[in-house]
Amino acid sequence: EIVLTQSPGTLSLSPGERATLSCRASQSVYRSYLAWFQQKPGQAPRLLIYGASSRATGIPDRFSGSGSETDFTLTISRLEPEDFAVYYCQQYGNSPRTFGQGTKVEIK
Amino acid sequence: EVQLVESGGGLVQPGGSLRLSCAASGFTFSSYWMHWVRQAPGKGLVWVSRINSAGLSTTYADSVQGRFTISRDNAKNTLYLQMNSLRAEDSAVYYCAREESVSQQPDLWGQGTLVTVSS
Repeated sequence: EIVLTQSPGTLSLSPGERATLSCRASQSVYRSYLAWFQQKPGQAPRLLIYGASSRATGIPDRFSGSGSETDFTLTISRLEPEDFAVYYCQQYGNSPRTFGQGTKVEIK
Repeated sequence: EVQLVESGGGLVQPGGSLRLSCAASGFTFSSYWMHWVRQAPGKGLVWVSRINSAGLSTTYADSVQGRFTISRDNAKNTLYLQMNSLRAEDSAVYYCAREESVSQQPDLWGQGTLVTVSS
């Protein structure tokens, strides 16, 4: 199975700053089928990005995804207070699907 | 109301079995692929299993292959996860989720049911 490694483990930033999260795959992700999820405490995950760069319905345009093959990035252009959360990447191009271990974006 | 409601979690001994259920309402359950995803307390998300809309195609994470079985009853609008040979590392909140066809990703999640494997 594909192993996804997210970095950094924790990102300490202030509101208004830019956040750049990385997700690296142990082998090429078929058709860049890579998704990003946001999860807040006590809540189910929420889909942000699919297909590496397509925003899910209702997701603000400050969230963007990029990358291909083994290297993917989630960028939050200007952090809003509600964006402080844990972010997970997931590949779904190769079976079985796998998640990364998560990146926590915390308020500095 | 469009929702998914899990049930069946609880405390089970290592080596034991448990069946989780996920009741769907407010949408045409039989049209959607479905997933189970788990999360140990304070830990990350782990994808567990997926089933197609007809219930004829299933996939599993390596860690549960051969021990867990996903199934569905479209007449009852219910998804199941039969878990056998349970281990301590299977302890987690188990979420069921509906897959949206364009993104091929969950767009609706249940609230989760807690499974604790301990003697």
